[in-house]
Amino acid sequence: DILMTQSPSSLAASVGDRVTITCRASRTISSSLHWYQQKPGKAPKLLIYAASSFQSGVPSRFSGSGSGTDFTLTISSLQPEDFATYYCQQTYNTPYTFGQGTNLEIK
Amino acid sequence: EVQLVESGGGLVKPGGSLRLSCAASGFTFTNAWMSWVRQAPGKGLEWVGRIKNKNDGGTTDYAVPVKGRFIISRDDSTNMQYLQMNSLKTEDSAIYYCTTVVWVGYSDYWGQGTLVTVSS
Repeated sequence: DILMTQSPSSLAASVGDRVTITCRASRTISSSLHWYQQKPGKAPKLLIYAASSFQSGVPSRFSGSGSGTDFTLTISSLQPEDFATYYCQQTYNTPYTFGQGTNLEIK
Repeated sequence: EVQLVESGGGLVKPGGSLRLSCAASGFTFTNAWMSWVRQAPGKGLEWVGRIKNKNDGGTTDYAVPVKGRFIISRDDSTNMQYLQMNSLKTEDSAIYYCTTVVWVGYSDYWGQGTLVTVSS
């Protein structure tokens, strides 16, 4: 299985901050990397697919980059509604695997 | 509007079986790939498995922890996806989400989830 490692596992930031979350794959996955946001008690929501493509309706302050084994999710200016847990997922090979999550908290 | 509604969760004893259902609407189910993703209480997301549409072979793939115990199926006549869970273990306790899958593999729509608790 392809192991996905996110860093950091948790992060405290303030409204207006620029935040970057990284995701590393244990072997190359091309651009088959996707990002989800999950708020407490809710289902996950797709933010970015294929490393850098925006899902419809996602604010432009979210962006994704990377290919191969190293990927990043950047939030350019944190808004109150962005405090949540973020997951990366690879779909290069089955079984598809998720990172362990990054909990973004208010400082 | 895409809607995915899971049902069938509940309390079951270790070694028991349970079948989850997912009612889909708002899109052409026949063309869709579907999947199940689970989340143990307070833990991260875990991909369970996926079923392709009939045109792409209708084949299934599973995560290693559930392979041989869980079976994903679909009924295109009723727009339903199912997850048959057998030989359940305490570590299978989780919220189970039904999702639509774009062919490259990511889940673009999610249901609200159904809770499965495996406990004696």
